Amino acid sequence: GENVGLHLPTLSVQEGDNSIINCAYSNSASDYFIWYKQESGKGPQFIIDIRSNMDKRQGQRVTVLLNKTVKHLSLQIAATQPGDSAVYFCAEPSSPNTGNQFYFGTGTSLTVIP
Amino acid sequence: NAGVMQNPRHLVRRRGQEARLRCSPVKGHSHVYWYRQLPEEGLKFMVYLQKENIIDESGMPKERFSAEFPKEGPSILRIQQVVRGDSAAYFCASSPGQAYGYTFGSGTRLTVV
Repeated sequence: GENVGLHLPTLSVQEGDNSIINCAYSNSASDYFIWYKQESGKGPQFIIDIRSNMDKRQGQRVTVLLNKTVKHLSLQIAATQPGDSAVYFCAEPSSPNTGNQFYFGTGTSLTVIP
Repeated sequence: NAGVMQNPRHLVRRRGQEARLRCSPVKGHSHVYWYRQLPEEGLKFMVYLQKENIIDESGMPKERFSAEFPKEGPSILRIQQVVRGDSAAYFCASSPGQAYGYTFGSGTRLTVV
């Protein structure tokens, strides 16, 4: 079955507001997580990753938080823009893993309202 | 500095025909992964290849599906005798090694009619 899942399938935010996308994972041994963004008709695009020895990692306008106690990830997007409208996936290494395969959640569809 | 190139972007096949999907990884990347995505679902791992070797095909159906990554040329995902349930977007990704994240291609959208 799925190792990752998302709390909300859709999210709508006003332009300029902050967005928070959540993800739950089930494998407590997972040590690496990635967030991908997928725009309509395109392939997934790497946004940010985090290793399990970290609680937080920041990128440009994005922050990923990792709570290993409750096996929860979140992606925060600051000052959300229309170009942020997309489906966001979290991914964790699959288990067993012969080399770099990932489980992807179903995704959260983010819609930015101008 | 091309990324992962997949072709064709769209492919229509009648039931029973063969589908061939091509993937050229990022230059210098020797690890290739194929994933399938059904509408409004996440990506499902199919197969992991290195040059001339299939490393893990645990996510690929045992029948009708095959993949290769020859020494020269693109990686090929081949689906024989396609059925309507094969309709999906097929994404290829590459990486320079096992400890790295992926670069995905734009996908091939297969429609079986």
